[in-house]
Amino acid sequence: AQSVTQLDSHVSVSEGTPVLLRCNYSSSYSPSLFWYVQHPNKGLQLLLKYTSAATLVKGINGFEAEFKKSETSFHLTKPSAHMSDAAEYFCVVTADTGRRALTFGSGTRLQVQP
Amino acid sequence: NAGVTQTPKFQVLKTGQSMTLQCAQDMNHEYMSWYRQDPGMGLRLIHYSVGAGITDQGEVPNGYNVSRSTTEDFPLRLLSAAPSQTSVYFCACRPRAGRGSLDGYTFGSGTRLTVV
Repeated sequence: AQSVTQLDSHVSVSEGTPVLLRCNYSSSYSPSLFWYVQHPNKGLQLLLKYTSAATLVKGINGFEAEFKKSETSFHLTKPSAHMSDAAEYFCVVTADTGRRALTFGSGTRLQVQP
Repeated sequence: NAGVTQTPKFQVLKTGQSMTLQCAQDMNHEYMSWYRQDPGMGLRLIHYSVGAGITDQGEVPNGYNVSRSTTEDFPLRLLSAAPSQTSVYFCACRPRAGRGSLDGYTFGSGTRLTVV
């Protein structure tokens, strides 16, 4: 079994300040973890992914995430928010099994204030 | 490259009507899946397919049917629409891969369905 908990449903930051979106996971298997972003009325775009290589993962648009097995966390960060970062972000886990279905967190809506 | 194409983008149905949501991909990916997105619940897996002729149920399969006669197409059928099926539906695909390898999921742009 696997699950994902996104600890904040809404996060609001000012432009130019750091972003932290928190994610905790549980999995019976060695997990692969992803962050996806969804802009309004759009599909989902992959930001970054962790698959048991380096624990610090760099993604697109300046985002990165660190896999911490001891804390079962995979928090998403960005040093300086941009207005275009305003969107909904999903933390996703998939197990290293035959089916490899995705389990989504409930999402975090990021607002960026000017 | 079109990637994953979903049609229609919007649809309004009356309770009890049936319809098919279309999903087509041009990347020759073996694995295809359907998700529904509801506020505050992320995306939930409805049905998936690991290749032509093979389908299986996901987390929330009731009220939906799928078939996979070709690699490219994976239609989702609503047999008798209910207001509880009002949602945004996403189709996704990825290539087959071995254990532990990187898998890139490509999502369609979604179908917004309202059942009245």
